[in-house]
Amino acid sequence: DSGVTQTPKHLITATGQRVTLRCSPRSGDLSVYWYQQSLDQGLQFLIQYYNGEERAKGNILERFSAQQFPDLHSELNLSSLELGDSALYFCASSGEAINYGYTFGSGTRLTVV
Amino acid sequence: AQSVTQLDSQVPVFEEAPVELRCNYSSSVSVYLFWYVQYPNQGLQLLLKYLSGSTLVKGINGFEAEFNKSQTSFHLRKPSVHISDTAEYFCAVSDRGYSTLTFGKGTMLLVSP
Repeated sequence: DSGVTQTPKHLITATGQRVTLRCSPRSGDLSVYWYQQSLDQGLQFLIQYYNGEERAKGNILERFSAQQFPDLHSELNLSSLELGDSALYFCASSGEAINYGYTFGSGTRLTVV
Repeated sequence: AQSVTQLDSQVPVFEEAPVELRCNYSSSVSVYLFWYVQYPNQGLQLLLKYLSGSTLVKGINGFEAEFNKSQTSFHLRKPSVHISDTAEYFCAVSDRGYSTLTFGKGTMLLVSP
């Protein structure tokens, strides 16, 4: 157990739908990162939150949004889902500086049918 | 902007043989470098990291990596691999600060008897 909890582990949904992925960071970590992993694109950085505020944005689609709540858990919302959104979505957490790297959760596998 | 190139998408090797997984990076600033391992159906786990100091860093499970600034490389090595080392290995880079990690596309290490 890495200390980063992601739910659900698997999600199957239809095109056009909206889903919410949840992440609880490791205790004491203030930063949360979301990554999308697919076979063709590899690990793509989506967005980072630090202590409730958006800190960095990567290749995140406009149909996707995220937030970090006061208890530091984070949610990634994916809407108007397309077949191409099928992927593994990872959450990671870290302290303010990344000297110790990230701690990853086990991921949510999203399948859009 | 940083980027990471993992030169081999797949490396097949026999058990007890040595292995080297190659990683090159580009960045305009000083960097932190990381290697992560991903076992099937799991999240990413930190193997080792280079922040500063000695260019040879040792990690978990007998892996080590050497930072070469002139070659902008951070190759991962193990003198004798086991079947259990079969996994995907990711190299990642960040500038020395608070930025996010940029990952390579990964190298699949396939160890056979």
